[in-house]
Amino acid sequence: AQTVTQSQPEMSVQEAETVTLSCTYDTSENNYYLFWYKQPPSRQMILVIRQEAYKQQNATENRFSVNFQKAAKSFSLKISDSQLGDTAMYFCAFMKHSNDMRFGAGTRLTVKP
Amino acid sequence: GAVVSQHPSWVICKSGTSVKIECRSLDFQATTMFWYRQFPKQSLMLMATSNEGSKATYEQGVEKDKFLINHASLTLSTLTVTSAHPEDSSFYICSAPPPSGTAKGRFEAFFGQGTRLTVV
Repeated sequence: AQTVTQSQPEMSVQEAETVTLSCTYDTSENNYYLFWYKQPPSRQMILVIRQEAYKQQNATENRFSVNFQKAAKSFSLKISDSQLGDTAMYFCAFMKHSNDMRFGAGTRLTVKP
Repeated sequence: GAVVSQHPSWVICKSGTSVKIECRSLDFQATTMFWYRQFPKQSLMLMATSNEGSKATYEQGVEKDKFLINHASLTLSTLTVTSAHPEDSSFYICSAPPPSGTAKGRFEAFFGQGTRLTVV
């Protein structure tokens, strides 16, 4: 079974600064997909960024980027130029070909003005 | 992008009654729907996988007689919480992958808006 670990229950960052959220996972699969989802107070799941395991290049989406270390099974999220609207729960997720996702425990990020 | 509509967004019911939650894929056919439960300040836990025209697959520890899942059409999956109790109060979310063969079909998930269930 796949497990996803987020070791930071809560984090805070000053507006405009950079923050990194950690995620590690455990799997015996070679082909899989990794995601970071944002869950604001509305609780709607919003896709932030995704990474295909067979791609060595780290994914980037505007202010969001990942550091994907396949051998170490690590998938951290870096948020640059943090904005107040980034305040939310962030979940790291793992998915193999069956499309069902396994989520980490989440990290509550607070961006302070 | 693809949309999954979940209804109701919140519901309060009395202990012992049943509640049905619907998830519809609005602009695509969802042969599979995943149902998650999220307790306050916790992560999403997969409860079951529904497949159109066949029986749902439940995760270990999830009571199939209590959480009835029906996937009778390619655009609708339902979760019925039967004989609800206060400990069933939670946030329930569905998600569906887009059809296989599409560019996004290999790795994507479209989430419903979620249903907050409170059993009193």
